[in-house]
Amino acid sequence: SAVISQKPSRDICQRGTSLTIQCQVDSQVTMMFWYRQQPGQSLTLIATANQGSEATYESGFVIDKFPISRPNLTFSTLTVSNMSPEDSSIYLCSVGPSDTQYFGPGTRLTVL
Amino acid sequence: EDQVTQSPEALRLQEGESSSLNCSYTVSGLRGLFWYRQDPGKGPEFLFTLYSAGEEKEKERLKATLTKKESFLHITAPKPEDSATYLCAVGVQETSGSRLTFGEGTQLTVNP
Repeated sequence: SAVISQKPSRDICQRGTSLTIQCQVDSQVTMMFWYRQQPGQSLTLIATANQGSEATYESGFVIDKFPISRPNLTFSTLTVSNMSPEDSSIYLCSVGPSDTQYFGPGTRLTVL
Repeated sequence: EDQVTQSPEALRLQEGESSSLNCSYTVSGLRGLFWYRQDPGKGPEFLFTLYSAGEEKEKERLKATLTKKESFLHITAPKPEDSATYLCAVGVQETSGSRLTFGEGTQLTVNP
């Protein structure tokens, strides 16, 4: 199974600022997925990140708010821009293969 | 649009008291039914993927089954360490990984 690490593990930020979350995988993967888990709720897919191309965003999520980079096959970043308290969530990255799906430990974000 | 509904929302069991969790789904075509376990403050841990009606998979005290409209996670003689939130999801398989739509989860508590 893939080993996934995320940085930071948690952060407390002021509204209006931005935070970049890093996801590192111990093997090369074509696709990486970013999810959000709001307090007390389940996971919602934000976007799919492919190396060498623009990320594909799900309905309700836009690039200006959640820009994603995918510079190589083991690394991706998700930025949460111009944060508001409603962005307080756990953000998780995830990788395949397609018959399994592994998740990182998550980044717990609190916006004041 | 894919929809996943889990029941019950919460379940309390005594140690050794077997039970089942339900996951019903509405999808345009099933491409994989995933079960995860999530402990507080951690990312989801992969348990099973099921693909066709009648399929069953087992892991220790857990057995997952699948019909055309729902999946069950059977827990036999649970122990307190089985306490967690159990999530199911349906997947759209990509070339490398799956885009998942999650249910709201069942929070299981097993009392000693």
